[in-house]
Amino acid sequence: AQSVTQLGSHVSVSEGALVLLRCNYSSSVPPYLFWYVQYPNQGLQLLLKYTSAATLVKGINGFEAEFKKSETSFHLTKPSAHMSDAAEYFCAVTIYNTDKLIFGTGTRLQVFP
Amino acid sequence: GAVVSQHPSWVICKSGTSVKIECRSLDFQATTMFWYRQFPKQSLMLMATSNEGSKATYEQGVEKDKFLINHASLTLSTLTVTSAHPEDSSFYICSARGDYHNEQFFGPGTRLTVL
Repeated sequence: AQSVTQLGSHVSVSEGALVLLRCNYSSSVPPYLFWYVQYPNQGLQLLLKYTSAATLVKGINGFEAEFKKSETSFHLTKPSAHMSDAAEYFCAVTIYNTDKLIFGTGTRLQVFP
Repeated sequence: GAVVSQHPSWVICKSGTSVKIECRSLDFQATTMFWYRQFPKQSLMLMATSNEGSKATYEQGVEKDKFLINHASLTLSTLTVTSAHPEDSSFYICSARGDYHNEQFFGPGTRLTVL
């Protein structure tokens, strides 16, 4: 069965600092992996996705993630945080051969001036 | 881009009443729609998957008679919470996918409060 684990329910960074949100996955088959962002009282917006092509995936708003099979990781990074990046971030994996998404528990990113 | 809307964005109802939430794909045909539930400060949990014209497939532990899902057209799915109770208060989010999409597009969510 597929699953994802997000390490750290809260991450705080200063504006301009590196953002690193961790996600590890478990899957017996090659996974499709996603990062979503959720602003308060809103739905989810796709940041980026890995679908077995390039291991370094670039997304919107300057975010990127690298698929590392040896580490079963798909960490999300951004070189320089903006105040507008403050939100909840979810890592997700699809269940093999279905459309179902399994979400991690989320990481709340706070950005301080 | 693919846009999904939900209506209402929030609803307050009395215990024992039923509430209907609509999910619409505005610019594409959604052959598959998904309903999620999110409790405060928690992750999204898939409740059910629906394909247009067929019965929804519910996840384990989700009461199909309590959460009625209808996917009657390629642009509309509805979730009806029947005989709502305070423990049903939650944020309900739908997503949709068309035949030519390899991702789900999420609606903005509906916050349900049952008094």
